[in-house]
Amino acid sequence: DAGVTQSPTHLIKTRGQQVTLRCSPKSGHDTVSWYQQALGQGPQFIFQYYEEEERQRGNFPDRFSGHQFPNYSSELNVNALLLGDSALYLCASSYNSGIATQYFGPGTRLLVL
Amino acid sequence: ELKVEQNPLFLSMQEGKNYTIYCNYSTTSDRLYWYRQDPGKSLESLFVLLSNGAVKQEGRLMASLDTKARLSTLHITAAVHDLSATYFCAVGGAGGATNKLIFGTGTLLAVQP
Repeated sequence: DAGVTQSPTHLIKTRGQQVTLRCSPKSGHDTVSWYQQALGQGPQFIFQYYEEEERQRGNFPDRFSGHQFPNYSSELNVNALLLGDSALYLCASSYNSGIATQYFGPGTRLLVL
Repeated sequence: ELKVEQNPLFLSMQEGKNYTIYCNYSTTSDRLYWYRQDPGKSLESLFVLLSNGAVKQEGRLMASLDTKARLSTLHITAAVHDLSATYFCAVGGAGGATNKLIFGTGTLLAVQP
């Protein structure tokens, strides 16, 4: 059983560019959450998708947007990249339950120059 | 706004010793998760604690939850080098089906031979 997968693993962009990160959830999971982890810090919640809609959002600007597809996979888009967007972006999948454990993917490391 | 604090932030301990990591959170929640992160890697789920007084054990790690004190502990027994990693606690930040996680700052554990 494949776990959560993410692509790409690493990415280098310059300020002002746009980036798209992809996530495939663990088999059977229908809910996808995205987190940003800056170096030396804990992950911060960006948003969560369920039934192809954004269900909850953390304290991130509108430059961060996402999408969920009918097969439950998801994308995270970041526009107008800033140096401060450099981080590890983690995707987590779970069942649609308030108590369900979230299983994390390997992450995409984004460096903005 | 829910805040999660861990202490200590850094823990250097010798093999064979015992120690405890503390996780305090600021508002009521009955969902507490512990994750482990190895350098450059993603997060691995360790424990899910869903009720007051819950205790879970796996190998040399034991986690407990006191919802009245808003405190969870991760106790390490007879540490071994393989336990060296960063440990995060995370609190479920909303009720219902949404399971936004608020992470602590993490505790970097270094077990010395």
